Amino acid sequence: QQQVKQSPQSLIVQKGGISIINCAYENTAFDYFPWYQQFPGKGPALLIAIRPDVSEKKEGRFTISFNKSAKQFSLHIMDSQPGDSATYFCAARSGGSNYKLTFGKGTLLTVNP
Amino acid sequence: NAGVTQTPKFRVLKTGQSMTLLCAQDMNHEYMYWYRQDPGMGLRLIHYSVGEGTTAKGEVPDGYNVSRLKKQNFLLGLESAAPSQTSVYFCASSYWGANYGYTFGSGTRLTVV
Repeated sequence: QQQVKQSPQSLIVQKGGISIINCAYENTAFDYFPWYQQFPGKGPALLIAIRPDVSEKKEGRFTISFNKSAKQFSLHIMDSQPGDSATYFCAARSGGSNYKLTFGKGTLLTVNP
Repeated sequence: NAGVTQTPKFRVLKTGQSMTLLCAQDMNHEYMYWYRQDPGMGLRLIHYSVGEGTTAKGEVPDGYNVSRLKKQNFLLGLESAAPSQTSVYFCASSYWGANYGYTFGSGTRLTVV
């Protein structure tokens, strides 16, 4: 059972454009929704995160939009740059005492110069 | 500050051989996790630990064992390696608490032939 569905699988954007990656979840007990960025040969790194009581969070060119009723959240990268080319993972965290993250399958973003 | 360190970075095993992957963190994090990353599958949780001396199964625990004898170390063992265990393994750690994400290591690329 895939609890976090991520789309698209890959995305090609021109420099300066907007990159949008979408995720949907099923478990209403999730209480924290981070996005991770991974460059080839490296481990994932926390990019930005949001809690379900907030509808939007912005950090620089990166924005998370969160729709609790639809159980969906998305990452928007404004003014996309070639250096943003990476794999992006959305995730959702179980509350309680273990704080496990369930990850989406990832989106390979390529930003062309 | 080294963060999360994984050793080794690369390893080739023959089917049936055993090995241990070491994860060490210097951030005094309570929680530690082992994930495997396979193409198109995202990150899947193998085992995790919420404190020294405790371990629990994740999504894909079969064929793996773990131990956390010291707070800063989390070991992942393969007793009898199989080709299906060819993957990139990531260790992560985190504080308990509402708004902390994971810190990942740089990964171990394991090939079982």
